[in-house]
This record gives sequence, C-alpha cells and structure tokens, in this order.
Amino acid sequence: NAGVTQTPKFRVLKTGQSMTLLCAQDMNHEYMYWYRQDPGMGLRLIHYSVGEGTTAKGEVPDGYNVSRLKKQNFLLGLESAAPSQTSVYFCASTWGQVTEETQYFGPGTRLLVL
Amino acid sequence: AQTVTQSQPEMSVQEAETVTLSCTYDTSESDYYLFWYKQPPSRQMILVIRQEAYKQQNATENRFSVNFQKAAKSFSLKISDSQLGDAAMYFCAYRSETSGTYKYIFGTGTRLKVLA
Repeated sequence: NAGVTQTPKFRVLKTGQSMTLLCAQDMNHEYMYWYRQDPGMGLRLIHYSVGEGTTAKGEVPDGYNVSRLKKQNFLLGLESAAPSQTSVYFCASTWGQVTEETQYFGPGTRLLVL
Repeated sequence: AQTVTQSQPEMSVQEAETVTLSCTYDTSESDYYLFWYKQPPSRQMILVIRQEAYKQQNATENRFSVNFQKAAKSFSLKISDSQLGDAAMYFCAYRSETSGTYKYIFGTGTRLKVLA
C-alpha cells in the first residue's frame, strides 16, 4: 500500500515548455486534489476531482489543466510554463463525505521554471 | 467564501513546555470539519488532529489537543510536553460539509521552533 505517490519529485522547466505531473493513489479514494505551496501563502487549491471523469476548478486554476481518466490517477498539466508557476505541488486524496474524513498527501513535486 | 487565518507566522517553545497555535476561520455554515496538519522539513503533510463542528467535545490525540470555540470561530492547537520532533510548519484547514464543493481551505501556516 503506497498511499499517494507523485511523479516526478523535482523538475526544471524553461519558460514556455509543457509538462504533466502524475498523482496516483491506491486507496480507492473518490476525491483527489492538486495544491500548490508557496512561501507565506499556505496551500492553495488548483483543481480537484470528486470522481473518475470529473474535474473542477479550485482557487488558482489559471495556467493548469487536469484530467482524471482513471479513478486512481489525477494528472496536472502545464501547457506553457511560466516563472510564476515555480512552486511545490502537492496531490491529496480522500474518500469524501464520510466520517473520519482525512486527506492523504503525496510527498510533493518541486517545480522550477526558468 | 470561507477563510482561514493563522496570525502567528512563527512560534518558539522550550522542549517539554506547552505551546498553543492559533487559528480563526470565517464561515456561514454550521457543518464542517477543521484540521491541523503538520509539515516537517521532509515536506510530507501529516494529519495531527481533526474536529467535527457538530461535536462539542474538543478533540485530543496524545499530546495534541484543540480548543474549539464554534461561536468565536476559533480552533487553536495545544501541544503539551513539546519535543524536538514537533518542530515543523503547522497548517489549520477547513472543509465544508454542507456546500457540496468538497474543497479544503488552508491557512498560511505557523512555523514552530522547539528549543533544546
């Protein structure tokens, strides 16, 4: 049981390049989330999904796209990276509206856009 | 829209002493969850404690306890007998149970330093 995993752990991009971050969970969770963490700003929600085939915008969705084709995977895409997207990205998952609600987080992906 | 405020960017505590981290939130909803997460230097987010808003009793997990004041919209975390391993960023978070959006809202964090 690996929990929530993220690929890659670290990446350097040039402005304008594209990339996809992969989040995978093996807990059969319904809900998955992508956050970015910047100094002094806590975690801000980018996009989230409440089930396979569904996605929704969070607080800071501009410049990102997501897909959830399989229940266990949640992909975050940057079509044209900008220096403002330099950040640490966290994926999280949870069962949803049940008691004992808890978000499980991945280890994070550090992205540097030059 | 809901907001979560952590007004203490940094706190220090002597080893074995007690420290309280503050969190306030703003919401018009009556049903929600509140959480405290710990983020050590490894960056891994770890759930410390959870509180359901409908429960009047304050949640406790070993050395960690909360003071949940629903009317005041306050949710502070008390760490007793502080240990060096408690040094980390601590985030307060809110999740609605009634809006149907399933979104979490995080505060900006409090960095806790534990002095030997």
